[in-house]
Amino acid sequence: GIQVEQSPPDLILQEGANSTLRCNFSDSVNNLQWFHQNPWGQLINLFYIPSGTKQNGRLSATTVATERYSLLYISSSQTTDSGVYFCAPRGGYQKVTFGTGTKLQVIP
Amino acid sequence: GAGVSQSPSNKVTEKGKDVELRCDPISGHTALYWYRQRLGQGLEFLIYFQGNSAPDKSGLPSDRFSAERTGESVSTLTIQRTQQEDSAVYLCASSSPQEPTNEKLFFGSGTQLSVL
Repeated sequence: GIQVEQSPPDLILQEGANSTLRCNFSDSVNNLQWFHQNPWGQLINLFYIPSGTKQNGRLSATTVATERYSLLYISSSQTTDSGVYFCAPRGGYQKVTFGTGTKLQVIP
Repeated sequence: GAGVSQSPSNKVTEKGKDVELRCDPISGHTALYWYRQRLGQGLEFLIYFQGNSAPDKSGLPSDRFSAERTGESVSTLTIQRTQQEDSAVYLCASSSPQEPTNEKLFFGSGTQLSVL
């Protein structure tokens, strides 16, 4: 199956700061999703982004499938952005594999 | 239903007992996943159902774990002779991967399993 690496594993930001989270994957994909797991454990789908760039408010994501990586940008971070961010690629009709996540803490 | 529903939300059991966890996917979603998440850890794949294809069971950690799915509807994850290391949140997700515009994975709220 696809191997997924996320970096950094942990990140502390001052409120208002910007950051970039990275996801590298080992094989070609036709599906890549970014999730946010809030402190209560609920997983929310942020982006479905097999290629290209998408933006949603303060968040945006870019996937370069040919180079096997995806980036999640967080701008003007807020305390509500705290939690764990997971990258989850899938190749063909195989299972969706999750990375180990980036744990983000935004401090006021 | 409107979202993925899991029950029970919490389950406390004694070591050695069997447990059944239930997942109701979003109506029309052909794909269904079970994941396990231990405290402070990532999501560990358990099993994947896709339509009428044979399920991908490659993530089941032992023969004490099994799962069934009735058509494209409800799924049940069964853990026999539970052990303390089975304590975790069990998450279910569904999607419709055959529809390119609707391949997003939607998660339930999970079942918190505690084995005493």
